[in-house]
Amino acid sequence: AQSVTQPDIHITVSEGASLELRCNYSYGATPYLFWYVQSPGQGLQLLLKYFSGDTLVQGIKGFEAEFKRSQSSFNLRKPSVHWSDAAEYFCAVGAVRYYGGSQGNLIFGKGTKLSVKP
Amino acid sequence: DSGVTQTPKHLITATGQRVTLRCSPRSGDLSVYWYQQSLDQGLQFLIQYYNGEERAKGNILERFSAQQFPDLHSELNLSSLELGDSALYFCASSFMGLPYNEQFFGPGTRLTVL
Repeated sequence: AQSVTQPDIHITVSEGASLELRCNYSYGATPYLFWYVQSPGQGLQLLLKYFSGDTLVQGIKGFEAEFKRSQSSFNLRKPSVHWSDAAEYFCAVGAVRYYGGSQGNLIFGKGTKLSVKP
Repeated sequence: DSGVTQTPKHLITATGQRVTLRCSPRSGDLSVYWYQQSLDQGLQFLIQYYNGEERAKGNILERFSAQQFPDLHSELNLSSLELGDSALYFCASSFMGLPYNEQFFGPGTRLTVL
């Protein structure tokens, strides 16, 4: 079965420092990968997605992520963190039905909460 | 603003009761999803509809049911509520309901069962 692991529950970085949030997935073929951000009291907003092609994808708000098949990883990065980036970040994979048919739900990791120190 | 609306924003009710959560998808989207977010379980997929038909089921309890109406809005019915049903319930929509379609999330309905 497909699964997503985010090993870090909580990360604190200083404003202006670089950021990397880790994500590992479990799936035999090339997965459909997503990063979402959830600010307090808000819904989820898509930061970026990867389906195929260039393994380095650019997203909104200055975020990027790199797909590494050999490591089954899709880590999120930002070169310089702003205080407004404090939020919870979710990595997700698009569910695929092995026996045919279409299924489109997301399977989420547990999330990484990002705190930003002034 | 994602374009997905959910009502109500907050719901407080008692154990054993039944509630209905409502979702209107983004204009043009045919598929609706329901997710439950709780501290212990994280974000869990409940059920997906596409153009009025159920497409996929996740960890949805038998006490819960949903439907998508001809105008594409969806309702999630939760009955015989238990304390453990307290959670944030999100609705999301996507164009065709395929695994590579971007999903747009509503602001959620926070359910508190006392």
